[in-house]
Amino acid sequence: IAGITQAPTSQILAAGRRMTLRCTQDMRHNAMYWYRQDLGLGLRLIHYSNTAGTTGKGEVPDGYSVSRANTDDFPLTLASAVPSQTSVYFCASSESAGDTGELFFGEGSRLTVL
Amino acid sequence: GQNIDQPTEMTATEGAIVQINCTYQTSGFNGLFWYQQHAGEAPTFLSYNVLDGLEEKGRFSSFLSRSKGYSYLLLKELQMKDSASYLCAVQDSNYQLIWGAGTKLIIKP
Repeated sequence: IAGITQAPTSQILAAGRRMTLRCTQDMRHNAMYWYRQDLGLGLRLIHYSNTAGTTGKGEVPDGYSVSRANTDDFPLTLASAVPSQTSVYFCASSESAGDTGELFFGEGSRLTVL
Repeated sequence: GQNIDQPTEMTATEGAIVQINCTYQTSGFNGLFWYQQHAGEAPTFLSYNVLDGLEEKGRFSSFLSRSKGYSYLLLKELQMKDSASYLCAVQDSNYQLIWGAGTKLIIKP
């Protein structure tokens, strides 16, 4: 039982480099999300997708982009990484957007930008 | 603005009871969630409240008062494995989740 798989689990990146965090789910959930988690702050939504083919901006979208070509995959791209993007990134999914169901999280990707 | 407040850290003794509080101010309300997150791991769902009152699930219970913008998570018969962060999140009128910073719970023998 995989649920949500994220890759890489950890990465050190030079500032200015491009980086894509991968996220794949096998639960056929319609909605997917990318969050970042920083010490002392709550989870902050970066981008979301209510269904394949659609995406939306969350609370902190600047410097990030996403795509949702199919139901299973929801990659997050940092076009030109900056040190403030050092964080732990969590991908999550739910059966559908706007419902009251629980979120299922991947194990996280720890990114350090130097 | 939207705001979720919960204590940063709490300490309790193995076998005891602990109550973690969460107060919120959000644009609308469509439910309140509690998640558990062990260090270095992903958050996992604990409970969901949308109506006032107490929801009990084994050793864990969650309470909601919508009029007061208040919830608590009650953990009974504490075990060492309960050492974790507990995240409170409120679903606003757009069904977006607003997250608190989490309460780190330390259990001592």
